Amino acid sequence: DADVTQTPRNRITKTGKRIMLECSQTKGHDRMYWYRQDPGLGLRLIYYSFDVKDINKGEISDGYSVSRQAQAKFSLSLESAIPNQTALYFCATSSKAVSTDTQYFGPGTRLTVL
Amino acid sequence: EDQVTQSPEALRLQEGESSSLNCSYTVSGLRGLFWYRQDPGKGPEFLFTLYSAGEEKEKERLKATLTKKESFLHITAPKPEDSATYLCAVQGVAGANNLFFGTGTRLTVIP
Repeated sequence: DADVTQTPRNRITKTGKRIMLECSQTKGHDRMYWYRQDPGLGLRLIYYSFDVKDINKGEISDGYSVSRQAQAKFSLSLESAIPNQTALYFCATSSKAVSTDTQYFGPGTRLTVL
Repeated sequence: EDQVTQSPEALRLQEGESSSLNCSYTVSGLRGLFWYRQDPGKGPEFLFTLYSAGEEKEKERLKATLTKKESFLHITAPKPEDSATYLCAVQGVAGANNLFFGTGTRLTVIP
């Protein structure tokens, strides 16, 4: 089984709808991240969480919110989706206990907002 | 501001034809430079972390090197299964713990 899972894998929605993307991990890591990937722009950080009670905004947090329900679960919400939020969304995890703090990525969610 | 530039954007190689991918970076204090491989429709897969100039790491046909301004990913005698997009990212000592990514090099290895 994959260490980092994301649901759904694909989602098509309409402008104005509320959307939630979910991420679960079995790696036992304390740190979790949400990135989006757009063609020609590379991956950009949306939000990150160093533990259940620690949530921080990343480079492009406007229009998004997150919830860390447990150490293993981190959800990303789009309260009112708009077309320019069409992108690939990736969840990642890392561990403070490991000096390299290497981030490991999930398989991604392809979101299309019409 | 942290900045990562990867070149070339795309590279086509014949099977067995060795080459290098470049990652130039600007960061205020390097905590680590990371290389990832990404296949179409999948998440980035971790390859290497480099921490200081002069460091080298190898894995099968891949070898990553680091200087104070750039990193190279050398591919020796590539095979078609090495075809993927290779992403470079830096993590600085200041600010958040996030990775700052380049836009990647799309490698195609032709049999």
